[in-house]
Amino acid sequence: EIVLTQSPATLSLSPGERATLSCRASQSVSSYLAWYQQKPGQAPRLLIYDASNRATGIPARFSGSGSGTDFTLTISSLEPEDFAVYYCQQRSNWPLIFTFGPGTKVDIK
Amino acid sequence: EVQLVQSGAEVKKPGESLKISCKGSGYSFTSYWIGWVRQMPGKGLEWMGIIYPGDSDTRYSPSFQGQVTISADKSISTAYLQWSSLKASDTAMYYCARLCCGYDPDYFDYWGQGTLVTVSS
Repeated sequence: EIVLTQSPATLSLSPGERATLSCRASQSVSSYLAWYQQKPGQAPRLLIYDASNRATGIPARFSGSGSGTDFTLTISSLEPEDFAVYYCQQRSNWPLIFTFGPGTKVDIK
Repeated sequence: EVQLVQSGAEVKKPGESLKISCKGSGYSFTSYWIGWVRQMPGKGLEWMGIIYPGDSDTRYSPSFQGQVTISADKSISTAYLQWSSLKASDTAMYYCARLCCGYDPDYFDYWGQGTLVTVSS
């Protein structure tokens, strides 16, 4: 079973700063990697799919990169509404399993 | 507009049964897998299983196989998650989400608002 590890667990930054979040898979997931944002009391929201494609309506300051086992979500300049928890997620084919990473909390410094 | 609307919060006692729902609209309900995701209080996201409403093909996470039942009624565009005997450890928020897209879907693009299930004696 593929395990996803996210780092850091918490990232303390100020508005306007650049955020770099990492997601590492225990084995290759090709480009089957998605990123979600979750704010308190809300459902997760899809940000990035297939490693680097922004979902509909997602601002350009969010970008994803990587393939294989190492992936990065970058927020180029943090807006106040970006402080939230971010999860990565992968799909493996055999067996068919969807796995989420433990999350990275981006909070205000 | 794609929407997934879940049933309301539930408070149950250990040993009771429960069935929660997720109604899809704004798209062809029978053409997309629907998944269920658990979030225990203060914790992360856990995938439970998926169902294809078109033919009710269902796949479960090994962690949840035998613990819950996922079903769907395509005539009313609704998916379900049910328990036959709840435990206190089932206390969590449960989300449904649409699995996107095409022949090889791999991510969840639309999410329901969540159903909070509280199990307490």
